[in-house]
Amino acid sequence: NAGVTQTPKFQVLKTGQSMTLQCAQDMNHNSMYWYRQDPGMGLRLIYYSASEGTTDKGEVPNGYNVSRLNKREFSLRLESAAPSQTSVYFCASKTGVSYGYTFGSGTRLTVV
Amino acid sequence: GENVEQHPSTLSVQEGDSAVIKCTYSDSASNYFPWYKQELGKRPQLIIDIRSNVGEKKDQRIAVTLNKTAKHFSLHITETQPEDSAVYFCAAKKSRNFGNEKLTFGTGTRLTIIP
Repeated sequence: NAGVTQTPKFQVLKTGQSMTLQCAQDMNHNSMYWYRQDPGMGLRLIYYSASEGTTDKGEVPNGYNVSRLNKREFSLRLESAAPSQTSVYFCASKTGVSYGYTFGSGTRLTVV
Repeated sequence: GENVEQHPSTLSVQEGDSAVIKCTYSDSASNYFPWYKQELGKRPQLIIDIRSNVGEKKDQRIAVTLNKTAKHFSLHITETQPEDSAVYFCAAKKSRNFGNEKLTFGTGTRLTIIP
């Protein structure tokens, strides 16, 4: 039982490049989330998916897109990376009948 | 939307002493308040949570208190140990539709336990 798995763990991009961050959970959770973590700013919600087939914007969605591929997988795409997107990205999931989030181990992204 | 403020941003306490971290929230409809601990380079992990129908909850050396009237909640760690050193995040959430709910996090408190 792996919980929430994120890939890659580290990535360096050049400005303007694109990439997709992958997230998969094996807990049969309905809801999935993408957060970014920056020093002194806590965890800020980028996008979330309350259930398979739905996605909604969070607090800081600009520059990102998401896909809820199926119940297990929720990917985050940067179409044209910018230095301001340098951050640690966390994926999380929860089941609708409980309240606690389970986080993945994070992706450290640097845009140069 | 919800706004969560957390204080202090850094906190140092002697081993064995108590530590208190405070958070305030803005949306009176919020009804769930978790606390997460994040060790250096690791993922946030839920350590305790409280729902709005409860005023206090304890789990061994940690406790959380909630004051709905004042819209603030606090984390209390007693008999602190070196392994308590980490960044702690509070969060708040209100339930709207089934599953359509999201946590708003505070900005974190870096707790250092001095041996």
